[in-house]
Amino acid sequence: AQSVTQLGSHVSVSEGALVLLRCNYSSSVPPYLFWYVQYPNQGLQLLLKYTSAATLVKGINGFEAEFKKSETSFHLTKPSAHMSDAAEYFCAVSALSGGYQKVTFGIGTKLQVIP
Amino acid sequence: DSGVTQTPKHLITATGQRVTLRCSPRSGDLSVYWYQQSLDQGLQFLIQYYNGEERAKGNILERFSAQQFPDLHSELNLSSLELGDSALYFCASKDTGELFFGEGSRLTVL
Repeated sequence: AQSVTQLGSHVSVSEGALVLLRCNYSSSVPPYLFWYVQYPNQGLQLLLKYTSAATLVKGINGFEAEFKKSETSFHLTKPSAHMSDAAEYFCAVSALSGGYQKVTFGIGTKLQVIP
Repeated sequence: DSGVTQTPKHLITATGQRVTLRCSPRSGDLSVYWYQQSLDQGLQFLIQYYNGEERAKGNILERFSAQQFPDLHSELNLSSLELGDSALYFCASKDTGELFFGEGSRLTVL
């Protein structure tokens, strides 16, 4: 079985401050991990992905995430928040289950950026 | 542009009616996933198809059904619609890596 836990359904940061969105996962097999972003009235776009190569993954728009196996975490960070970062962010895990790639999403974290 | 196409983008209908949502995956992708996103339930996995065969079922109601055709496009059929079925319905396709999402079909049931 696999699962994703995103701590904090709503996070507020000031413009220019550090963004930290938390994601913990569980998987009985080595997973692929993803962060997606959803802007209002749009579909989900891939921010970055971990596929068992480098543990520090850089994505679009200045975001990065670090895979920590010992902590089963894949937290998303950005050094300095911009107003345009306001969106909903989803963490997802993909792993082989019953012969196919099962994808499980977290509940999402809405990021508010305060001017 | 993800390469995944969903139609219609918006749909308004009445309770008790039936609608069909259509999805064309990215060229070459054999897997299609359907998700429902509502304010109170978040992003819920409904069903997955791979090359025409159902592979996994999530929280899909019996009133809902789906299929994937030989040309790999997929349709999600929603029947006996209720107010609570109002939501964004996303289709996504996948190769060996990440999911690519369409823009969604927004269903409003009045």
